[in-house]
Amino acid sequence: DVKVTQSSRYLVKRTGEKVFLECVQDMDHENMFWYRQDPGLGLRLIYFSYDVKMKEKGDIPEGYSVSREKKERFSLILESASTNQTSMYLCASSPPGALSNQPQHFGDGTRLSIL
Amino acid sequence: AQRVTQPEKLLSVFKGAPVELKCNYSYSGSPELFWYVQYSRQRLQLLLRHISRESIKGFTADLNKGETSFHLKKPFAQEEDSAMYYCALRDSGNTPLVFGKGTRLSVIA
Repeated sequence: DVKVTQSSRYLVKRTGEKVFLECVQDMDHENMFWYRQDPGLGLRLIYFSYDVKMKEKGDIPEGYSVSREKKERFSLILESASTNQTSMYLCASSPPGALSNQPQHFGDGTRLSIL
Repeated sequence: AQRVTQPEKLLSVFKGAPVELKCNYSYSGSPELFWYVQYSRQRLQLLLRHISRESIKGFTADLNKGETSFHLKKPFAQEEDSAMYYCALRDSGNTPLVFGKGTRLSVIA
């Protein structure tokens, strides 16, 4: 069974802080994704990565960056946290395109509050 | 551009009644369609995918390319079906899922 683990379930930070959200998957998946989930807006893609040291912007990358130094780990970074980044953040992973009928597997999410 | 529309934010039905959660998509090629579900305090998980043509927990979904729809149906709703449901689309290539805004299903006893 695929396991996607997000390091924190709840996180409270202050405006202007640099925030790191960590995600680890144990299935050797090439693809990893970061979404934010907001009521009425669904899931919106922030960044994704097809391989180590590779990253692609999603639909709402502003204010965020990512790091993928190892295949199993994909970090989301809020460079200078703002209150409008208060949200639920979901990490996901999936096998590569050759197995594109395989779904994305999600972590439990990190509920981030910026005060 | 790919787009997924779930027209209902909230759907309330009585236990035992039929359920239909609507999903329409906009895509010019041959997409892959999925339904994901999130129960209270649980992670988002795959419910079913059109390519499998399967029935999961009594739910089915048929891809209608003419109407560009992928509606989720269940003949008799159960209280444990209450959850948030997301329809999602993906290009046949190696691309991320595009999600709809979700429909919250509430099954009333």
